[in-house]
Amino acid sequence: AQSVTQLGSHVSVSEGALVLLRCNYSSSVPPYLFWYVQYPNQGLQLLLKYTSAATLVKGINGFEAEFKKSETSFHLTKPSAHMSDAAEYFCAVSFMNRDDKIIFGKGTRLHILP
Amino acid sequence: EAQVTQNPRYLITVTGKKLTVTCSQNMNHEYMSWYRQDPGLGLRQIYYSMNVEVTDKGDVPEGYKVSRKEKRNFPLILESPSPNQTSLYFCASSLAGADQNIQYFGAGTRLSVL
Repeated sequence: AQSVTQLGSHVSVSEGALVLLRCNYSSSVPPYLFWYVQYPNQGLQLLLKYTSAATLVKGINGFEAEFKKSETSFHLTKPSAHMSDAAEYFCAVSFMNRDDKIIFGKGTRLHILP
Repeated sequence: EAQVTQNPRYLITVTGKKLTVTCSQNMNHEYMSWYRQDPGLGLRQIYYSMNVEVTDKGDVPEGYKVSRKEKRNFPLILESPSPNQTSLYFCASSLAGADQNIQYFGAGTRLSVL
């Protein structure tokens, strides 16, 4: 079955520290992978996407993610956390043979400690 | 400005009183969907639509109805709301095609059913 798993429903990092949010997927066909961010009281917005071009994808606000097929992972990173990065982050996956259906992970809430 | 507009943003109602949450997009997107977001459960898809007059069930369709008579509108109907439908609801739209599947989200509708 095709699925996406985010490890850790809450992650806390200090301001200036590395941010690492984990996402693993399960699929028998090539996936398209996305990270979305949800700031308080807002809808989700796209952070970055992987659609079979370069495996290292750069997104907005200094975030990037690397597609690793051997590990079925698409972890999100940022070298130096900022207070404004506090939000909930969702990994998502879609597949060409699934009528464009997109599957979201359960989300990881990122807390930034001063 | 490209946007997905949901109304109302907040709604308090009583059990059994029919309600409709409207969703409209101005990007000429083929694909539209409704999600509910609950703590610890992430985003769960209720219904989706690939195009006008084409709708299909998502993961949690029970108790909901939708229609897609026009490309821009995708209302969510709760014929007889119950307390377990208290949730945060999001409408989203995108172009067709899994590699185009960047979802644009509305700001959300917070529904409380008493």
